[in-house]
Amino acid sequence: DIQMTQSPSSLSAFLGDRVTITCRASQNISNYLNWYQQKPVKAPNLLIYAASSLQSGVPSRFSGSGSGSGTDFTLTISSLQPEDFATYYCQQSYNTPITFGQGTRLEIK
Amino acid sequence: QITLKESGPTLVKPTQTLTLTCTFSGFSLSTSGVGVAWIRQPPGKALEWLALIYWDDEKRYSPSLKSRLTITKDTSKNQVVLTMTDMDPVDTGTYYCARRGGGIRGKPNWFDPWGQGTLVTVSS
Repeated sequence: DIQMTQSPSSLSAFLGDRVTITCRASQNISNYLNWYQQKPVKAPNLLIYAASSLQSGVPSRFSGSGSGSGTDFTLTISSLQPEDFATYYCQQSYNTPITFGQGTRLEIK
Repeated sequence: QITLKESGPTLVKPTQTLTLTCTFSGFSLSTSGVGVAWIRQPPGKALEWLALIYWDDEKRYSPSLKSRLTITKDTSKNQVVLTMTDMDPVDTGTYYCARRGGGIRGKPNWFDPWGQGTLVTVSS
């Protein structure tokens, strides 16, 4: 199985801050990496697919990138807004079993 | 507009079999590249992928749960059914279905959109 490790597990930030969340895969997954946002008692919502493509309707302050190694990926929020405080998950779709990171909880400082 | 909705029991007893139905609209499960997955989330924990069925009826399962899971589709009814046998309290959580988007196998793919989820509690 491909292990997905997110860091940090939790993060406190101010409104307007630039925030970066990292996801590392245990093997090369090319660009088969997606990011989701989940708010309490809601279903996850796709933000970024194929490592760097912004899902339709998602604000442009969200961006994703990969290091080129196929193992290291980042999700960046350029200027935190109140509605961005949530939990974020990465997910690999390179092969089955499909696996998710453990989540990063983003809280207001 | 694509929507999915999960339905099934909210409470099951240990050792019983859980049957969940995902009813969807706005897409066809006979279209190349399309699939429907089941994902669950124990209270306060991370997401766990369970199973995926493709447009051509190929099925994939979580290895750790494979012996307990069966996924099937009814294209005419726009439904996907997941059964999980021998339920245990550790199986308590919210169960989601989601559409597999992206290309055919061998291309990047993702889950979008998701259903609202259904909370299943396993308790005697």
